[in-house]
Amino acid sequence: EAQVTQNPRYLITVTGKKLTVTCSQNMNHEYMSWYRQDPGLGLRQIYYSMNVEVTDKGDVPEGYKVSRKEKRNFPLILESPSPNQTSLYFCASGSDVGVYGYTFGSGTRLTVV
Amino acid sequence: SQQGEEDPQALSIQEGENATMNCSYKTSINNLQWYRQNSGRGLVHLILIRSNEREKHSGRLRVTLDTSKKSSSLLITASRAADTASYFCAFQGGSEKLVFGKGTKLTVNP
Repeated sequence: EAQVTQNPRYLITVTGKKLTVTCSQNMNHEYMSWYRQDPGLGLRQIYYSMNVEVTDKGDVPEGYKVSRKEKRNFPLILESPSPNQTSLYFCASGSDVGVYGYTFGSGTRLTVV
Repeated sequence: SQQGEEDPQALSIQEGENATMNCSYKTSINNLQWYRQNSGRGLVHLILIRSNEREKHSGRLRVTLDTSKKSSSLLITASRAADTASYFCAFQGGSEKLVFGKGTKLTVNP
C-alpha cells in the first residue's frame, strides 16, 4: 500500500531532551515536507526537501533540523525541545504535486513538558 | 502571511443539505487543492483545480476557481454525517510547496 509512515504517533517528552520523529514513504516521491498544525494557525511548513541531500527551510524552521540521506526517509529532529513545540506534526510527500497533490502521514502528537 | 484564508471557520448543517466553503489567497498560483482531515488524522487529497480551469467536479464535490478574485469554493452536495471533517485549501505557486489555509470545520448532523 502506498503510504507515508510516521513514528511515533504520540510522544510526551521533557524540555531539552533530544528527539527524532521518523518519516518514511514508499512511493519514490522526490518531494517531502514537514508541517506542524496548531489550533487557529492551520498547517505551517517547517522544512522541505526537493530530493536527496537537498533540504530547505519552510516558514517556521526554528528549533528543528532535518536530513535527507535517502529518498524514502525524512526525519525531523528536535535537538532541545521546548514547550512551544508542543503540536501535531505531519510529514507529507509528493511527486508532480501540481497533478497529484501530497500524501500525508497520520501525524505525531508531541507534548513537551 | 502567504497563508490562504478559509471562510467560514466552522459550518454546521443537516444531512442532505449542501455545504459551501470558500478560500481566498494573495499570490499568483499554478493550482489550488482541497484536502480533508478527520479529527487529528492526516490530510487526504480531494481535488485539484489548475489556474486555467474555472470549475471541476468529482463525485459530490464541485470546486470553482476565480483567479481574478483570488478565491475558490468547495461545494459538497447532499452531505452525509460521514462528511464531518475539517477541509483545507492549499495553493501551489512556482515550486512544489503547498501553502495551506486554516481550514473550515464542517459538522453534518444526522
